[in-house]
Amino acid sequence: EPEVTQTPSHQVTQMGQEVILRCVPISNHLYFYWYRQILGQKVEFLVSFYNNEISEKSEIFDDQFSVERPDGSNFTLKIRSTKLEDSAMYFCASSPGEGASTDTQYFGPGTRLTVL
Amino acid sequence: DQQVKQNSPSLSVQEGRISILNCDYTNSMFDYFLWYKKYPAEGPTFLISISSIKDKNEDGRFTVFLNKSAKHLSLHIVPSQPGDSAVYFCAASLYTGNQFYFGTGTSLTVIP
Repeated sequence: EPEVTQTPSHQVTQMGQEVILRCVPISNHLYFYWYRQILGQKVEFLVSFYNNEISEKSEIFDDQFSVERPDGSNFTLKIRSTKLEDSAMYFCASSPGEGASTDTQYFGPGTRLTVL
Repeated sequence: DQQVKQNSPSLSVQEGRISILNCDYTNSMFDYFLWYKKYPAEGPTFLISISSIKDKNEDGRFTVFLNKSAKHLSLHIVPSQPGDSAVYFCAASLYTGNQFYFGTGTSLTVIP
């Protein structure tokens, strides 16, 4: 069964450093997403991406964040200058794109980001 | 901003009995609801969904009920099995977009 994959599984970085989290969505899916979950809190939406552009983003997704689909398979989240509060589990998801609101999203296993 | 709430952080159920997980929401514009299951160190796994035009959807041992007037949905697992032990998240989306709003999760323990 096709699945979303994410690398690395755990990333440790120093505050102020740039990190890139990588995702390979399910191959025929058209929408891609990033969510994060700070320890002990709920899963929060960051951004959705469709047709090579951001379709929706939350207040969390400020200028420090960017997303890119550099080739036909990868979808990346870049954090330019990490802060301590960026420490969280970051989940990538993808959906087929059958309909905006009724599209089931399939999640990857997550990347645990630790900012020291 | 707690648009989707799961007021029970944990639930314990005996194997073979029914598990009922509850979720409340505040935004009447939500039109699609889902339940995800999450094991430690894994991503959320889609379990079952329901559109706002329905009040019930069933898939094997899992049934989701939607009460739009009460802004409440519930997940019933019958019979519960030890492998069902996980954290269950409800999520909702607006008809205008594709962002999912997640609840805080309920940790279900099924006791053998």
